[in-house]
Amino acid sequence: AQTVTQSQPEMSVQEAETVTLSCTYDTSENNYYLFWYKQPPSRQMILVIRQEAYKQQNATENRFSVNFQKAAKSFSLKISDSQLGDTAMYFCAFLFYGGATNKLIFGTGTLLAVQP
Amino acid sequence: EAQVTQNPRYLITVTGKKLTVTCSQNMNHEYMSWYRQDPGLGLRQIYYSMNVEVTDKGDVPEGYKVSRKEKRNFPLILESPSPNQTSLYFCASSSLDSTDTQYFGPGTRLTVL
Repeated sequence: AQTVTQSQPEMSVQEAETVTLSCTYDTSENNYYLFWYKQPPSRQMILVIRQEAYKQQNATENRFSVNFQKAAKSFSLKISDSQLGDTAMYFCAFLFYGGATNKLIFGTGTLLAVQP
Repeated sequence: EAQVTQNPRYLITVTGKKLTVTCSQNMNHEYMSWYRQDPGLGLRQIYYSMNVEVTDKGDVPEGYKVSRKEKRNFPLILESPSPNQTSLYFCASSSLDSTDTQYFGPGTRLTVL
């Protein structure tokens, strides 16, 4: 069974600095997707970035980028030039492409606080 | 605007009183799913549907029912709610092509007394 682990329950960063959130996962599958979702105080789940496992190039979206290490089963999120609006819970998630359930498997989340 | 909507957003009820949380999407997605979010546990799948009239259990289906009579709607039914179903509930949808990104509704905060 697939599992996703986020080992940092809480993190803090100063505004304008860079922070990296860690995520590891366990799977025997080869075709899958990885996601980072952001959940601000409004509770909305917002897609930040996604990575297809077959792509070697790391995904980037503006100030957000990932470091995808397939062999190590690691998928960290880097936030550059942190802004106050980045304060949120961040969830790492795994999806096995072509599986019977199309289920997203979530980590337990990292609560990020951006300090002014 | 492409979106997933849920109603109600907040609900306080009592043990045993049947309730339904509605979910609707306007993106013509085949796949829809319900998750519950609890502190320290992340989100866990309750039920999912691959298409109209096709539903199946997720990881935590006990105490819940769903139906998929129309492509756009996927209601979550609690026939006899109990306090352990107090949680934050999310509906999500996606296409079943290679993109597979799931889009989430705004969430429903349910409290069962």
